[in-house]
Amino acid sequence: KNQVEQSPQSLIILEGKNCTLQCNYTVSPFSNLRWYKQDTGRGPVSLTIMTFSENTKSNGRYTATLDADTKQSSLHITASQLSDSASYICVVSNDYKLSFGAGTTVTVRA
Amino acid sequence: DSGVTQTPKHLITATGQRVTLRCSPRSGDLSVYWYQQSLDQGLQFLIQYYNGEERAKGNILERFSAQQFPDLHSELNLSSLELGDSALYFCASSPSAGGEDTQYFGPGTRLTVL
Repeated sequence: KNQVEQSPQSLIILEGKNCTLQCNYTVSPFSNLRWYKQDTGRGPVSLTIMTFSENTKSNGRYTATLDADTKQSSLHITASQLSDSASYICVVSNDYKLSFGAGTTVTVRA
Repeated sequence: DSGVTQTPKHLITATGQRVTLRCSPRSGDLSVYWYQQSLDQGLQFLIQYYNGEERAKGNILERFSAQQFPDLHSELNLSSLELGDSALYFCASSPSAGGEDTQYFGPGTRLTVL
């Protein structure tokens, strides 16, 4: 069983709307949690990294939250743009081992 | 541009063949990671090298091997290729060996096995 589960698998939103992606993990012990954005056919790009003691971190219109007690994280995209269409991957680190979620595919439509 | 380069960009070969993928990390980064991403699949961690030494191993098949050279570039060797090996292969680099660093991904090599 994957130690990092993401939901939904995919979603479609209209340009300008907000959306929230979920990540639940069972990795333990926990070092940090990252969100990556991956455009189709390209390498992932880091959006945020959060350690155990952080519960929110922003990068422009992207805001990640972390609840280490419930082992849940979310990525909120505000005022979506067409360029936000991509796969968003949650990655949980246990020291040097990284566990990847399967990703959420976001499609933003005009 | 992440600063990580990978060659070739595309590779088409036949089953049973052997190929070598090359990765140059960002300047100053000592760690190199290799990942496989099959069609519609998530990223699968294969192996990590740090300063020339193998640091961590993931789901890497015995037919696959990697090394990191003194100049810190890395090569991933895939042998006895099968149709199922068709995938995007990404290399990433980070400054240190630990999991706390941001990994910077290269553009990937798309391997097609016919």
